[in-house]
Amino acid sequence: EADIYQTPRYLVIGTGKKITLECSQTMGHDKMYWYQQDPGMELHLIHYSYGVNSTEKGDLSSESTVSRIRTEHFPLTLESARPSHTSQYLCASSDGSADGYTFGSGTRLTVV
Amino acid sequence: AQKITQTQPGMFVQEKEAVTLDCTYDTSDQSYGLFWYKQPSSGEMIFLIYQGSYDEQNATEGRYSLNFQKARKSANLVISASQLGDSAMYFCAMRERFNQGGKLIFGQGTELSVKP
Repeated sequence: EADIYQTPRYLVIGTGKKITLECSQTMGHDKMYWYQQDPGMELHLIHYSYGVNSTEKGDLSSESTVSRIRTEHFPLTLESARPSHTSQYLCASSDGSADGYTFGSGTRLTVV
Repeated sequence: AQKITQTQPGMFVQEKEAVTLDCTYDTSDQSYGLFWYKQPSSGEMIFLIYQGSYDEQNATEGRYSLNFQKARKSANLVISASQLGDSAMYFCAMRERFNQGGKLIFGQGTELSVKP
């Protein structure tokens, strides 16, 4: 049973639309992360959060934004989707222990 | 800067044989953790095995073992008795333990195909 949930699982949307990818975890983890992954390629960190009201940009520049108003919720928003945003987006959380890292199932976004 | 390198874009192995997936890393930190994840075509990340930089013994989890050579900065994954269900992408990742964000840095991945 998953402890970190991402919705939607798949999304096809037109250029210029605003979208929000949802990520929620039930483990009470303070640290949460968003990774972007093109098919067959490595994962790149685009955003992370240490806790409520804390957000930081990751190693890969992204036009998306995130918010962390509640511990369990870390949504990612694209104000105006473009075809270059087509990718898989993976959310993860950590309890801060050495190996305590949990991934969601991912959202596969296609912008047409 | 920390970096993970996987030099094998694709690997083939016969069912029931063992296979080694290579991973080298670079970090200036003395304390760090190394991970291997499996990613099937469905896209989710499945945790396989973890090795801490101060762990004396190589990590093992069922058919998975991690060949940790600290001086060489390598952390190769060994899968014994390969099964058809092992066909997937495999990612090596590193976490610098005292990094405030606890971020994972990933390698490029290796696509493993198991042949019957």
